[in-house]
Amino acid sequence: EVQLLESGGGLVQPGGSLRLSCAVSGFTFSSYAMSWVRLAPGKGLEWVSAISGGGRPYTYYADSVKGRFTISRDNSKNTLYLQMNSLSVDDTALYYCAKSIVILPASRFDFWGQGTLVTVSS
Amino acid sequence: DIQLVQSPSSLSASVGDRVTITCQASQGINNYLSWYQHKPGKAPKVLIYDGSKLETGVPSRFSGSGSGTDFTFTIRSLQPEDVATYYCQQYDSLPSTFGQGTKLEIK
Repeated sequence: EVQLLESGGGLVQPGGSLRLSCAVSGFTFSSYAMSWVRLAPGKGLEWVSAISGGGRPYTYYADSVKGRFTISRDNSKNTLYLQMNSLSVDDTALYYCAKSIVILPASRFDFWGQGTLVTVSS
Repeated sequence: DIQLVQSPSSLSASVGDRVTITCQASQGINNYLSWYQHKPGKAPKVLIYDGSKLETGVPSRFSGSGSGTDFTFTIRSLQPEDVATYYCQQYDSLPSTFGQGTKLEIK
């Protein structure tokens, strides 16, 4: 059974940092691209970042987080990460990790996690 | 970036009704479009992919159609458990983008 479990969310002040994790099981993690998608209060889903699968992963970011967020993966630990720096109130959202169906990130998702809540507030 | 315009933003219908949601892309997306159902507190669930293909295990009352830039999602006979927010998503190119969402309620 495929499972994705996000963690690391919480309350952080503007300008602060947070690292999200997504622990996965039930599939060969290294063979698939992974993404982070967020849902801000009162808004719709927003793709945040993606990382390709394979031995030399490529990373991609939405303009809204480029230069502040870093996506990475540890295939030995079956875990996806999102390092978030210089957080602003606009980053407040429920963050989901999502699995792509292939190694490339420009592909559809077939499984999502339940999400972890990030609240940026003073 | 490819923009997706989804409409309506909200919808109220009766049990048994046929419900239709549209999604228009700002450029052709080679039918690389998914439809998701999202209920509060749950993970989004893919219902349709590649524009019209039904995900395994999804009831046949859900369907998708369209090509090029114009796509449609239909629930043939609305059920109480279909209350949710529905999103279209294009995965033709990065950044992947979502429609604004359609909140579906029962009258």
